[in-house]
Amino acid sequence: QSVLTQPPSVSAAPGQKVTISCSGSSSNIGNNYVSWYQQLPGTAPKLLIYDNNKRPSGIPDRFSGSKSGTSATLGITGLQTGDEADYYCGTWDSSLSARVFGTGTKVTVL
Amino acid sequence: QVQLQESGPGLVKPSQTLSLTCTVSGGSISSGGYYWSWIRQHPGKGLEWIGYIYYSGSTYYNPSLKSRVTISVDTSKNQFSLKLSSVTAADTAVYYCARDRVVGQQLVPASFDYWGQGTLVTVSS
Repeated sequence: QSVLTQPPSVSAAPGQKVTISCSGSSSNIGNNYVSWYQQLPGTAPKLLIYDNNKRPSGIPDRFSGSKSGTSATLGITGLQTGDEADYYCGTWDSSLSARVFGTGTKVTVL
Repeated sequence: QVQLQESGPGLVKPSQTLSLTCTVSGGSISSGGYYWSWIRQHPGKGLEWIGYIYYSGSTYYNPSLKSRVTISVDTSKNQFSLKLSSVTAADTAVYYCARDRVVGQQLVPASFDYWGQGTLVTVSS
């Protein structure tokens, strides 16, 4: 029952670009910071993007984030096989008073 | 470098209470500026936030789990803990502890910057 909607999967060839959308509402994305997480198979999630568009130290600039209204987008350029993972958006929902995550998107490198 | 490590039983019987502890190293829970969270992931599914605690003891819980969840903190041991009562097979999941950075004067949680490796808890008789 996630309140944030992501496409189940996206795919592209190595070197190409993919974008992952995260759709919410004014009570969550519209008025709070969005973060993005990468979860490689069998591992814990890892912070990729915080405060809508900032990258933690060590995250390559191939990863980018943006937010507009009640939606957010994660972009990955120069796709690599090592980018195959599940990606989740997350934010605070002021109406629910709860942390919420997106439904998750599996990235496949063709 | 902040590190978090979950510990606790990997097998819990139905109707009993699941208890996990997260030990934090490389940083102090008492320093403020962060919520200390529990998150779970059912097999093959997405992430579900369970709740968090501030060093002061203030807590927020997922409304869907609130009646069964208790999160506590022991600043002297730099640990925080999760108790989930009356468990069923539906509570079988990988449980993660994580640090949630806070922003603004209203202390709004913004990003989980450090995560534990996760621990699988199976509910079965």
